[in-house]
Amino acid sequence: QQQVKQSPQSLIVQKGGIPIINCAYENTAFDYFPWYQQFPGKGPALLIAIRPDVSEKKEGRFTISFNKSAKQFSLHIMDSQPGDSATYFCAAIISGAGSYQLTFGKGTKLSVIP
Amino acid sequence: DAGITQSPRHKVTETGTPVTLRCHQTENHRYMYWYRQDPGHGLRLIHYSYGVKDTDKGEVSDGYSVSRSKTEDFLLTLESATSSQTSVYFCAISGRQGSGSYNEQFFGPGTRLTVL
Repeated sequence: QQQVKQSPQSLIVQKGGIPIINCAYENTAFDYFPWYQQFPGKGPALLIAIRPDVSEKKEGRFTISFNKSAKQFSLHIMDSQPGDSATYFCAAIISGAGSYQLTFGKGTKLSVIP
Repeated sequence: DAGITQSPRHKVTETGTPVTLRCHQTENHRYMYWYRQDPGHGLRLIHYSYGVKDTDKGEVSDGYSVSRSKTEDFLLTLESATSSQTSVYFCAISGRQGSGSYNEQFFGPGTRLTVL
């Protein structure tokens, strides 16, 4: 049972566009939602994260929007650049459950065309 | 990569042979994790450790065992490798001692394992 559903699988945007990646979760016990960025041949790198008591969080050109009632959250990349081309993973975690296990979405491959 | 190294970085082996992957951290994090990454499946947790000699199973633990004899090292062993275990394996760490924050996980560079 996939607990975090991510869409789309792939996304192509022009430079300067605003790609949006969406995730939906089922388990209301999740209380921390990170996004990871992964370049080919590298490990995932933590990009930005949000807790459900916050509706939006910005870090540079990256913004997370969170809708607790809909159990959905999304990543927006403002003024996207070719260097943003990577695979993005959303994830969710239950804090204090003893394991701090991340449940990942299946990933979105983003291509930003110059 | 937050002071995380994995070895080897690439390995080709034959079905039925034992394989051990090593994760080494210099960040004094309490938790360590092993994930595998496969196309169409994203990252899936194999095993994790919450302290020296304290380990537990993840989502896809069958065919894998782990050991952690000291804080810095977390070993993943495939007792008898199968072709279905061909994958990219990532180690991750979280919970720097004394920080109180365990949610942020930092990943190593990965090991690409091919089982022929």
